[in-house]
Amino acid sequence: GAVVSQHPSWVICKSGTSVKIECRSLDFQATTMFWYRQFPKQSLMLMATSNEGSKATYEQGVEKDKFLINHASLTLSTLTVTSAHPEDSSFYICSALLQGGTNGYTFGSGTRLTVV
Amino acid sequence: AQSVTQLGSHVSVSEGALVLLRCNYSSSVPPYLFWYVQYPNQGLQLLLKYTTGATLVKGINGFEAEFKKSETSFHLTKPSAHMSDAAEYFCAVSGGSQGNLIFGKGTKLSVKP
Repeated sequence: GAVVSQHPSWVICKSGTSVKIECRSLDFQATTMFWYRQFPKQSLMLMATSNEGSKATYEQGVEKDKFLINHASLTLSTLTVTSAHPEDSSFYICSALLQGGTNGYTFGSGTRLTVV
Repeated sequence: AQSVTQLGSHVSVSEGALVLLRCNYSSSVPPYLFWYVQYPNQGLQLLLKYTTGATLVKGINGFEAEFKKSETSFHLTKPSAHMSDAAEYFCAVSGGSQGNLIFGKGTKLSVKP
């Protein structure tokens, strides 16, 4: 149980275009979704936290107008990279906070974004 | 503030040898500690977690970790390495400002035949 489906798994886009990444919770309701970015051979850095029905909270240094996060339902959170540039190329991973005292988190399978 | 330090960005062992991946944490509150494994271009898979209770935690694939409060450590071990264990391993602590996990920088485990 507690599966988060993340799509696409990889995407190549041209500079200046926008890319949307989706994370769906398949068998539970994800009230809170975390979005991480992972550079090659580095750790996961929290970009933003989204809560269903409210505005996302962005970490310091993350451009909220560039990385648009929508969490309109309890089963879907999206990250849109707007006007992508090569420096946005990275691995993006979503993670849902599991409720009910499980003290756990479940992760999507990640999206490899390459901007050319 | 919470933080995690993983000693050794790269650990290499022979197949069948003991695996020891080190993790030290800093936390202002009783921590929840996690170990995750990541294969290339994939998400994170939970190996094990410590919340409360028994300090020796057993996880999947033969891994275990021991929470040592006095040493602020949560080292990951496996008695006998298998080729399929080659991956990146992340230690994490709960308690981020948004309820998120805070990750160490990761340790890449290589297993030699």
